[in-house]
Amino acid sequence: AQSVTQLGSHVSVSEGALVLLRCNYSSSVPPYLFWYVQYPNQGLQLLLKYTSAATLVKGINGFEAEFKKSETSFHLTKPSAHMSDAAEYFCAVKRGFDSYDKVIFGPGTSLSVIP
Amino acid sequence: DAGVTQSPTHLIKTRGQHVTLRCSPISGHKSVSWYQQVLGQGPQFIFQYYEKEERGRGNFPDRFSARQFPNYSSELNVNALLLGDSALYLCASTPGGGWGRDEQFFGPGTRLTVL
Repeated sequence: AQSVTQLGSHVSVSEGALVLLRCNYSSSVPPYLFWYVQYPNQGLQLLLKYTSAATLVKGINGFEAEFKKSETSFHLTKPSAHMSDAAEYFCAVKRGFDSYDKVIFGPGTSLSVIP
Repeated sequence: DAGVTQSPTHLIKTRGQHVTLRCSPISGHKSVSWYQQVLGQGPQFIFQYYEKEERGRGNFPDRFSARQFPNYSSELNVNALLLGDSALYLCASTPGGGWGRDEQFFGPGTRLTVL
């Protein structure tokens, strides 16, 4: 069965500091992995996705994530935090072959940016 | 182009009542998925529909049902509402059957409060 864990339900960083949000997954087959962001009272917006091409994936708003199969990780990073990055971030996994399988979301990490 | 739309935005019901939530996918998208997001948690998969057929179902009781119409819009129905059904209900659409690397595009959600 697939699952996603996100270490740290809440992360605080100073404006301009590095953002690191952790995601580990378990999957019996090579997965597709996603990071979504959710602003208050809104739906989810895709930041980036890993689909078995490059292991370093660049997304929107300066975010990127690296797929590490040996560590079963897909951590999200951004070199310099902005106030506008404050939001809830969700890592998600999906089986990586033709399938109608559901997307499994992690519990989320709330990011606060301190001025 | 319009994104995924959901109606209503907010809804207040009492225990035991029935509720119908509606979703219109992005034009040209044929797959719709429904998720329940309880406050402070990640979205949980409820249903996926593709070409008017149920393709996947999450671990939800039979009080939850859905359908997809010929124009690919969808309804989620919940009978005999419980307090625990209070959540944000998210609809997501994908261009094809939702398999493989297809990303999901989310609507803004319907906030259901059960009193």
